[in-house]
Amino acid sequence: EDKVVQSPLSLVVHEGDTVTLNCSYEVTNFRSLLWYKQEKKAPTFLFMLTSSGIEKKSGRLSSILDKKELFSILNITATQTGDSAIYLCAVGRSNYQLIWGAGTKLIIKP
Amino acid sequence: DAGVIQSPRHEVTEMGQEVTLRCKPISGHNSLFWYRQTMMRGLELLIYFNNNVPIDDSGMPEDRFSAKMPNASFSTLKIQPSEPRDSAVYFCASSLDRLAGVSAEQFFGPGTRLTVL
Repeated sequence: EDKVVQSPLSLVVHEGDTVTLNCSYEVTNFRSLLWYKQEKKAPTFLFMLTSSGIEKKSGRLSSILDKKELFSILNITATQTGDSAIYLCAVGRSNYQLIWGAGTKLIIKP
Repeated sequence: DAGVIQSPRHEVTEMGQEVTLRCKPISGHNSLFWYRQTMMRGLELLIYFNNNVPIDDSGMPEDRFSAKMPNASFSTLKIQPSEPRDSAVYFCASSLDRLAGVSAEQFFGPGTRLTVL
């Protein structure tokens, strides 16, 4: 059965810290891995990764995929209180569907 | 672009009543997804349409749930009769799948928070 596992489930850090969120997967017909950020509303898209070893970067956020070891990480440097959210990982299959992880709840304390 | 539009944003109803949720995807997108999110179960895919055709409805909980997409710009999710365990946030998302076999990023609507008393 396809599955996407995120860790940790929750994380509390102080402003300015660097955090690393993990996403491992076992999905047939893998095509892509996506990261989303969900605050109080709907998930918003962050990154899509399809190739191993190529880092995607947006400001203080970056992500990389390892298709051999079947995982991805999302890094956030110099965290701010506005980074507090649930971070969702999803893996896309060849039939366009996304298999979702349970998310990591990140809390940034001032 | 206005993004994905959902209505209503909040719905409170009594057990046994019919509930209809509505979604307008982003213009030009060819895939539409209905999700349900709860604290206990996270984000669950209910049904997926591609070019207005239901492709996978294996996530629909039971016969009380039905979804339609009569045209490229409108979809509904209906629950009849509703039960308290249906209380959740229901999201509609759309995407434009350009590359064969590669899942494109999905854009989510604001969601409908459903409470069934």
